[in-house]
Amino acid sequence: EAQVTQNPRYLITVTGKKLTVTCSQNMNHEYMSWYRQDPGLGLRQIYYSMNVEVTDKGDVPEGYKVSRKEKRNFPLILESPSPNQTSLYFCASAFRGGRTDTQYFGPGTRLTVL
Amino acid sequence: QKEVEQDPGPLSVPEGAIVSLNCTYSNSAFQYFMWYRQYSRKGPELLMYTYSSGNKEDGRFTAQVDKSSKYISLFIRDSQPSDSATYLCATRDSSGSARQLTFGSGTQLTVLP
Repeated sequence: EAQVTQNPRYLITVTGKKLTVTCSQNMNHEYMSWYRQDPGLGLRQIYYSMNVEVTDKGDVPEGYKVSRKEKRNFPLILESPSPNQTSLYFCASAFRGGRTDTQYFGPGTRLTVL
Repeated sequence: QKEVEQDPGPLSVPEGAIVSLNCTYSNSAFQYFMWYRQYSRKGPELLMYTYSSGNKEDGRFTAQVDKSSKYISLFIRDSQPSDSATYLCATRDSSGSARQLTFGSGTQLTVLP
């Protein structure tokens, strides 16, 4: 089954404790992206990657890191989480050559930073 | 000012009603317009896609873009309880480097049986 998977789905952590949210897709998509979704603000892009070893900042990259060492994986790293990073996070992927508007989203990771 | 504004709702309608969901945008460079549907505890999924102005119909769903007034609409005919979800409009320009979408904040729709 074609899908984007994220782990963990739910995470409660404390300020300053480094964490990684994994994202994996099995559709051989070049393009991958991370979003956060907050009430009243909608989906905001954190980082995106057009291909392996190619990443770029989105609208709200502060406090986040990403890496793209393999085509299928695009982990999101929070080196020192803070309460303002409490949010619902989505990973998405798409074919680069086609319409990257057709993004396939993962199920989401709900993060709470205390 | 946000680039894409969307009334968050919530919107509640009886089964069978015609639903109208709307967004406005400010950037005249936006050329591609989409509607994503997001069920509770799920990620968004692409529902409708249109380029530039005009209408596009797919079953009970019609997407409409009026570039002159920078207005995007999604109409749902004969609404069903299974249409209950959050609907997000999204748009982007045609720049090759701007492969990112600008999303509205979403409208929560409930269709009552």
